Amino acid sequence: AQSVTQPDIHITVSEGASLELRCNYSYGATPYLFWYVQSPGQGLQLLLKYFSGDTLVQGIKGFEAEFKRSQSSFNLRKPSVHWSDAAEYFCSLLNDYKLSFGAGTTVTVRA
Amino acid sequence: SQTIHQWPATLVQPVGSPLSLECTVEGTSNPNLYWYRQAAGRGLQLLFYSVGIGQISSEVPQNLSASRPQDRQFILSSKKLLLSDSGFYLCAWSVGSMNTEAFFGQGTRLTVV
Repeated sequence: AQSVTQPDIHITVSEGASLELRCNYSYGATPYLFWYVQSPGQGLQLLLKYFSGDTLVQGIKGFEAEFKRSQSSFNLRKPSVHWSDAAEYFCSLLNDYKLSFGAGTTVTVRA
Repeated sequence: SQTIHQWPATLVQPVGSPLSLECTVEGTSNPNLYWYRQAAGRGLQLLFYSVGIGQISSEVPQNLSASRPQDRQFILSSKKLLLSDSGFYLCAWSVGSMNTEAFFGQGTRLTVV
């Protein structure tokens, strides 16, 4: 069975500081992995995806993520956070058309 | 270009009443379609997904059902709503016959009173 775990429910970061959101997955083979962002009351927007190849993937809005097979992780990072990055972030795993999500991490940005 | 439409945006329904939420996709054929529920603090729960007309996979046993009467139409239904059915319902689609990213609608906020 596949599963996605986001250990941090809520993270507060200062504007301009770096951000890292953790994601761990459980799946037997090489997974398809995604990070999505959701603003309040809205749908989800794709930030980046990993299918194969280079384990460091670049996304929109200055985000990047690194796939580490040995740690079953796909952590999301941003070097310098902007106030507009305050949102909820979801890690997800796709297997045979079934797309599963973690519980999400809410990011608060303080001035 | 492809677009996804989900309606209504908000809905308030009494306990025991029926439910029908509709999702349609334009600009693509044979998409994979998904229904999710998002309850406060509980992330996105996959309810149903479909890889073709008449092919519905159910992930969570509950009093909801899904149907796909047309290629690009996905309907979420209930005969009798429970208070616990309240939440934010999201429809999504991805390119058919491929494992690719999904694109989401704007969601329906359902409140059961």
